[in-house]
Amino acid sequence: SQKIEQNSEALNIQEGKTATLTCNYTNYSPAYLQWYRQDPGRGPVFLLLIRENEKEKRKERLKVTFDTTLKQSLFHITASQPADSATYLCALISNFGNEKLTFGTGTRLTIIP
Amino acid sequence: NAGVTQTPKFRILKIGQSMTLQCTQDMNHNYMYWYRQDPGMGLKLIYYSVGAGITDKGEVPNGYNVSRSTTEDFPLRLELAAPSQTSVYFCASRTQGFPGELFFGEGSRLTVL
Repeated sequence: SQKIEQNSEALNIQEGKTATLTCNYTNYSPAYLQWYRQDPGRGPVFLLLIRENEKEKRKERLKVTFDTTLKQSLFHITASQPADSATYLCALISNFGNEKLTFGTGTRLTIIP
Repeated sequence: NAGVTQTPKFRILKIGQSMTLQCTQDMNHNYMYWYRQDPGMGLKLIYYSVGAGITDKGEVPNGYNVSRSTTEDFPLRLELAAPSQTSVYFCASRTQGFPGELFFGEGSRLTVL
């Protein structure tokens, strides 16, 4: 069955360091992958997307990589700040039946001052 | 633009009661979705719609019904509420084409006692 796993439920990182979050998938052929941020009590907010033929995408302090051989995406936040503390969700959409996005379980990131 | 609006924000139901969660969007999006989010479980797709008059089941449709009579509205009906339906429900919408980032509402927290 299709599965999307994010590396850990919670991740604590010192302020100023780079936070790296992992999204692994199995039995899936994604056309592209999206990352969302979710703050407590709020709906998820779209951050970045990367297509299957792209290796890397950047937006300000955010960087996403996509390795279809390893079936993995890495999400990096450089020069992390306490305001980056949130839950981060990856979501995949397939080439086929592309109406649906399937979400991972999320990683709760805390940036420690 | 208000984006995606969900009502109510909070609701407590007794076992066996029924209710409708309302969702409306003002972005003229064709695609609309209902997800539920349980602690540590990520977002699970309940139902989705690719346009007025068209709906389809997601991963966890049992105990729910939807309708899509207009582009703007996508209500979710809970019949005979059960404690297993205690969750936070999110409505989302997106445009038809790629990449199709999702726009989420703020969520509806439902407790069934």
